[in-house]
Amino acid sequence: NAGVTQTPKFQVLKTGQSMTLQCAQDMNHNSMYWYRQDPGMGLRLIYYSASEGTTDKGEVPNGYNVSRLNKREFSLRLESAAPSQTSVYFCASGPGQGFNSPLHFGNGTRLTVT
Amino acid sequence: DQQVKQNSPSLSVQEGRISILNCDYTNSMFDYFLWYKKYPAEGPTFLISISSIKDKNEDGRFTVFLNKSAKHLSLHIVPSQPGDSAVYFCAASSNFNKFYFGSGTKLNVKP
Repeated sequence: NAGVTQTPKFQVLKTGQSMTLQCAQDMNHNSMYWYRQDPGMGLRLIYYSASEGTTDKGEVPNGYNVSRLNKREFSLRLESAAPSQTSVYFCASGPGQGFNSPLHFGNGTRLTVT
Repeated sequence: DQQVKQNSPSLSVQEGRISILNCDYTNSMFDYFLWYKKYPAEGPTFLISISSIKDKNEDGRFTVFLNKSAKHLSLHIVPSQPGDSAVYFCAASSNFNKFYFGSGTKLNVKP
């Protein structure tokens, strides 16, 4: 019963390097999300995908791109990493409809950009 | 500008007493509100939710209250237990797709 799986768990990048964070869910959810958590800022939405084939910007999309590869997988790409992107990144999924549709989160990727 | 705000970064209560965590929001279109609990090095886990057609929802020791006119919700934990020590986030949505989170309140329950 995996739920939402994120890889990698930890990553250190140098400024200007690129990387892709992977996320997969096995709950047959329609919607998937990428959030970042920074001290004092809570969880801020980067991008989300309401359904397979669609993606939309959240509150802090600059410097990121996403791909909804299929219903299960939603990846987040940093094309040219900057120190301001040092954060903990969480992927989440949810049914996307109805009042019993909370988000389910993965355990996060801790990214440091030097 | 943050649409969901938690103005208390931390709260400390004695075991067995009530913990009250507060959350304010600015968007009157929000109709679905949730509380999440987060332990260090783990992802947030869903705790309890409420729709805008209700003003109270209870689940065991956890009760969420919604005051739409004040755009305010609160989470009551009674009785508080040391295992409740964690960071609590409130969240809100207007279309079940985009969820906005507050900055979190760190609860410490002292034995």
